[in-house]
Amino acid sequence: AQSVTQPDIHITVSEGASLELRCNYSYGATPYLFWYVQSPGQGLQLLLKYFSGDTLVQGIKGFEAEFKRSQSSFNLRKPSVHWSDAAEYFCAVGALTGGGNKLTFGTGTQLKVEL
Amino acid sequence: SAVISQKPSRDICQRGTSLTIQCQVDSQVTMMFWYRQQPGQSLTLIATANQGSEATYESGFVIDKFPISRPNLTFSTLTVSNMSPEDSSIYLCSVVRTGVEGYTFGSGTRLTVV
Repeated sequence: AQSVTQPDIHITVSEGASLELRCNYSYGATPYLFWYVQSPGQGLQLLLKYFSGDTLVQGIKGFEAEFKRSQSSFNLRKPSVHWSDAAEYFCAVGALTGGGNKLTFGTGTQLKVEL
Repeated sequence: SAVISQKPSRDICQRGTSLTIQCQVDSQVTMMFWYRQQPGQSLTLIATANQGSEATYESGFVIDKFPISRPNLTFSTLTVSNMSPEDSSIYLCSVVRTGVEGYTFGSGTRLTVV
Protein backbone atom coordinates (compact mmCIF):
# COMPACT_ATOMS: atom_id res chain seq x y z
CA ALA A 1 0.00 0.00 0.00
CA GLN A 2 1.19 3.49 -0.71
CA SER A 3 2.09 5.85 2.11
CA VAL A 4 3.62 9.26 2.68
CA THR A 5 5.63 10.48 5.64
CA GLN A 6 6.18 14.11 6.48
CA PRO A 7 8.50 13.97 9.48
CA ASP A 8 8.13 17.60 10.50
CA ILE A 9 4.78 18.57 11.99
CA HIS A 10 5.76 22.19 12.57
CA ILE A 11 8.54 24.30 11.08
CA THR A 12 9.35 27.93 11.87
CA VAL A 13 11.61 30.00 9.63
CA SER A 14 12.48 33.67 9.43
CA GLU A 15 11.29 35.66 6.47
CA GLY A 16 13.96 35.62 3.79
CA ALA A 17 15.47 32.37 4.99
CA SER A 18 15.54 29.23 2.90
CA LEU A 19 13.05 26.43 3.41
CA GLU A 20 13.06 22.69 2.95
CA LEU A 21 10.06 20.51 3.80
CA ARG A 22 10.69 16.80 3.85
CA CYS A 23 8.57 14.11 2.27
CA ASN A 24 9.24 10.38 2.04
CA TYR A 25 6.97 8.00 0.20
CA SER A 26 6.35 4.31 -0.18
CA TYR A 27 4.91 3.13 -3.47
CA GLY A 28 5.22 -0.09 -5.41
CA ALA A 29 5.52 1.43 -8.86
CA THR A 30 6.66 4.68 -10.39
CA PRO A 31 5.01 7.28 -8.21
CA TYR A 32 3.23 10.43 -9.13
CA LEU A 33 4.12 12.99 -6.47
CA PHE A 34 2.46 16.23 -5.50
CA TRP A 35 2.85 19.10 -3.10
CA TYR A 36 -0.24 21.06 -2.04
CA VAL A 37 -0.61 24.12 0.15
CA GLN A 38 -3.60 24.91 2.34
CA SER A 39 -4.08 28.33 3.87
CA PRO A 40 -6.38 28.63 6.89
CA GLY A 41 -10.00 28.07 5.93
CA GLN A 42 -9.09 27.38 2.32
CA GLY A 43 -9.04 24.40 0.02
CA LEU A 44 -5.89 22.85 -1.40
CA GLN A 45 -3.79 24.52 -4.05
CA LEU A 46 -1.38 22.51 -6.15
CA LEU A 47 2.18 23.81 -5.87
CA LEU A 48 3.89 21.34 -8.16
CA LYS A 49 3.83 17.76 -9.37
CA TYR A 50 6.22 15.13 -10.61
CA PHE A 51 5.23 12.53 -13.18
CA SER A 52 8.43 11.69 -15.00
CA GLY A 53 11.48 13.24 -16.63
CA ASP A 54 13.59 15.90 -14.96
CA THR A 55 13.76 15.11 -11.27
CA LEU A 56 13.87 18.79 -10.29
CA VAL A 57 10.45 20.31 -10.81
CA GLN A 58 9.50 23.93 -10.59
CA GLY A 59 6.20 25.05 -9.20
CA ILE A 60 4.26 28.17 -8.44
CA LYS A 61 5.22 30.84 -5.91
CA GLY A 62 8.94 30.11 -6.32
CA PHE A 63 8.78 26.57 -4.96
CA GLU A 64 10.70 23.61 -6.34
CA ALA A 65 10.99 19.96 -5.40
CA GLU A 66 13.46 17.24 -6.20
CA PHE A 67 12.54 13.61 -6.74
CA LYS A 68 15.17 11.21 -5.44
CA ARG A 69 14.23 7.64 -6.18
CA SER A 70 17.14 6.17 -4.22
CA GLN A 71 15.94 7.95 -1.09
CA SER A 72 12.20 7.68 -1.81
CA SER A 73 12.01 11.39 -1.19
CA PHE A 74 10.35 14.42 -2.74
CA ASN A 75 11.43 17.39 -0.65
CA LEU A 76 10.01 20.84 -1.22
CA ARG A 77 12.30 23.84 -1.24
CA LYS A 78 12.17 27.59 -1.51
CA PRO A 79 15.27 29.80 -1.45
CA SER A 80 13.68 32.76 0.30
CA VAL A 81 10.48 32.49 2.29
CA HIS A 82 7.87 35.24 2.35
CA TRP A 83 5.47 35.87 5.24
CA SER A 84 2.58 34.91 2.94
CA ASP A 85 4.01 31.38 2.67
CA ALA A 86 2.78 30.60 6.19
CA ALA A 87 0.32 27.73 5.67
CA GLU A 88 0.06 23.97 5.87
CA TYR A 89 1.86 21.92 3.26
CA PHE A 90 0.85 18.44 2.20
CA CYS A 91 2.85 15.94 0.21
CA ALA A 92 0.86 13.29 -1.67
CA VAL A 93 1.55 10.23 -3.77
CA GLY A 94 -0.74 8.65 -6.30
CA ALA A 95 -1.20 7.07 -9.67
CA LEU A 96 -3.25 8.12 -12.63
CA THR A 97 -3.50 4.79 -14.40
CA GLY A 98 -4.75 1.38 -13.55
CA GLY A 99 -6.45 0.75 -10.26
CA GLY A 100 -4.37 3.07 -8.14
CA ASN A 101 -6.09 6.32 -8.94
CA LYS A 102 -6.34 7.71 -5.44
CA LEU A 103 -4.07 10.16 -3.70
CA THR A 104 -2.55 9.33 -0.36
CA PHE A 105 -1.58 12.34 1.72
CA GLY A 106 1.02 12.88 4.36
CA THR A 107 0.02 14.34 7.71
CA GLY A 108 1.14 17.81 6.68
CA THR A 109 3.74 20.31 7.84
CA GLN A 110 2.60 23.57 9.40
CA LEU A 111 4.90 26.40 8.35
CA LYS A 112 5.22 29.50 10.48
CA VAL A 113 7.16 32.51 9.20
CA GLU A 114 8.71 34.92 11.64
CA LEU A 115 9.06 38.52 10.54
CA SER B 1 -6.91 23.18 -14.83
CA ALA B 2 -10.52 22.38 -14.02
CA VAL B 3 -12.52 24.85 -11.95
CA ILE B 4 -14.63 23.34 -9.16
CA SER B 5 -17.62 24.89 -7.48
CA GLN B 6 -18.43 23.21 -4.18
CA LYS B 7 -21.56 24.05 -2.20
CA PRO B 8 -22.27 24.82 0.55
CA SER B 9 -19.00 26.32 1.71
CA ARG B 10 -19.96 25.77 5.33
CA ASP B 11 -22.91 24.62 7.39
CA ILE B 12 -23.91 23.97 10.96
CA CYS B 13 -26.24 21.00 11.31
CA GLN B 14 -28.15 19.25 14.04
CA ARG B 15 -27.16 15.72 14.95
CA GLY B 16 -29.30 13.08 13.33
CA THR B 17 -29.90 15.11 10.18
CA SER B 18 -28.31 14.77 6.75
CA LEU B 19 -26.43 17.21 4.52
CA THR B 20 -25.84 16.95 0.79
CA ILE B 21 -22.74 18.59 -0.65
CA GLN B 22 -22.54 19.43 -4.32
CA CYS B 23 -19.49 19.45 -6.58
CA GLN B 24 -19.83 21.08 -10.02
CA VAL B 25 -16.92 21.14 -12.49
CA ASP B 26 -16.63 23.50 -15.42
CA SER B 27 -15.63 20.72 -17.82
CA GLN B 28 -15.90 16.97 -18.17
CA VAL B 29 -13.49 15.12 -15.93
CA THR B 30 -12.23 11.61 -15.89
CA MET B 31 -12.45 10.97 -12.19
CA MET B 32 -14.08 12.55 -9.16
CA PHE B 33 -13.22 11.89 -5.53
CA TRP B 34 -14.49 12.86 -2.11
CA TYR B 35 -12.10 13.49 0.79
CA ARG B 36 -12.58 14.22 4.46
CA GLN B 37 -10.26 16.36 6.54
CA GLN B 38 -10.96 16.09 10.25
CA PRO B 39 -9.86 18.97 12.49
CA GLY B 40 -6.09 19.23 12.57
CA GLN B 41 -5.71 16.13 10.40
CA SER B 42 -4.64 15.27 6.90
CA LEU B 43 -6.97 14.29 4.09
CA THR B 44 -8.55 10.86 3.89
CA LEU B 45 -10.21 9.52 0.77
CA ILE B 46 -13.85 8.61 1.34
CA ALA B 47 -14.70 7.27 -2.10
CA THR B 48 -14.31 7.51 -5.83
CA ALA B 49 -17.48 8.75 -7.52
CA ASN B 50 -18.16 6.64 -10.60
CA GLN B 51 -20.31 8.00 -13.39
CA GLY B 52 -23.37 5.83 -13.90
CA SER B 53 -22.50 3.27 -11.24
CA GLU B 54 -22.06 2.90 -7.51
CA ALA B 55 -19.19 4.73 -5.87
CA THR B 56 -16.09 2.86 -4.74
CA TYR B 57 -15.63 3.30 -1.00
CA GLU B 58 -12.42 3.15 0.98
CA SER B 59 -12.03 1.04 4.06
CA GLY B 60 -13.97 2.51 6.96
CA PHE B 61 -16.51 4.33 4.81
CA VAL B 62 -19.89 2.87 3.82
CA ILE B 63 -22.58 3.83 1.39
CA ASP B 64 -25.32 4.06 4.01
CA LYS B 65 -23.39 6.78 5.82
CA PHE B 66 -21.93 8.58 2.79
CA PRO B 67 -24.15 8.01 -0.25
CA ILE B 68 -22.62 9.48 -3.41
CA SER B 69 -24.13 10.25 -6.76
CA ARG B 70 -22.47 11.09 -10.06
CA PRO B 71 -25.12 11.46 -12.76
CA ASN B 72 -22.73 12.87 -15.38
CA LEU B 73 -19.09 13.79 -16.02
CA THR B 74 -19.29 17.24 -14.42
CA PHE B 75 -21.35 16.80 -11.24
CA SER B 76 -21.35 14.78 -8.05
CA THR B 77 -22.95 14.90 -4.64
CA LEU B 78 -21.90 13.54 -1.27
CA THR B 79 -24.45 13.12 1.49
CA VAL B 80 -23.41 12.86 5.11
CA SER B 81 -26.23 10.92 6.74
CA ASN B 82 -27.48 10.71 10.32
CA MET B 83 -24.80 13.11 11.43
CA SER B 84 -23.03 13.10 14.76
CA PRO B 85 -20.46 15.56 16.14
CA GLU B 86 -17.73 13.18 14.97
CA ASP B 87 -18.69 14.04 11.39
CA SER B 88 -17.56 17.63 11.90
CA SER B 89 -14.89 18.00 9.23
CA ILE B 90 -14.01 19.66 5.99
CA TYR B 91 -15.26 17.67 3.00
CA LEU B 92 -13.46 18.22 -0.29
CA CYS B 93 -14.25 17.28 -3.83
CA SER B 94 -11.33 16.48 -6.11
CA VAL B 95 -11.20 15.83 -9.84
CA VAL B 96 -8.81 14.60 -12.47
CA ARG B 97 -9.40 15.93 -15.97
CA THR B 98 -6.30 14.71 -17.69
CA GLY B 99 -3.29 12.92 -16.32
CA VAL B 100 -0.88 15.78 -16.87
CA GLU B 101 -2.96 18.22 -14.86
CA GLY B 102 -3.05 16.14 -11.75
CA TYR B 103 -5.71 16.47 -9.12
CA THR B 104 -7.67 19.67 -8.56
CA PHE B 105 -9.51 20.32 -5.31
CA GLY B 106 -12.60 22.31 -4.52
CA SER B 107 -12.52 24.88 -1.74
CA GLY B 108 -14.23 22.46 0.62
CA THR B 109 -17.33 22.34 2.80
CA ARG B 110 -16.73 23.05 6.46
CA LEU B 111 -19.32 21.05 8.39
CA THR B 112 -20.05 21.48 12.08
CA VAL B 113 -22.49 19.10 13.75
CA VAL B 114 -24.02 20.23 17.04
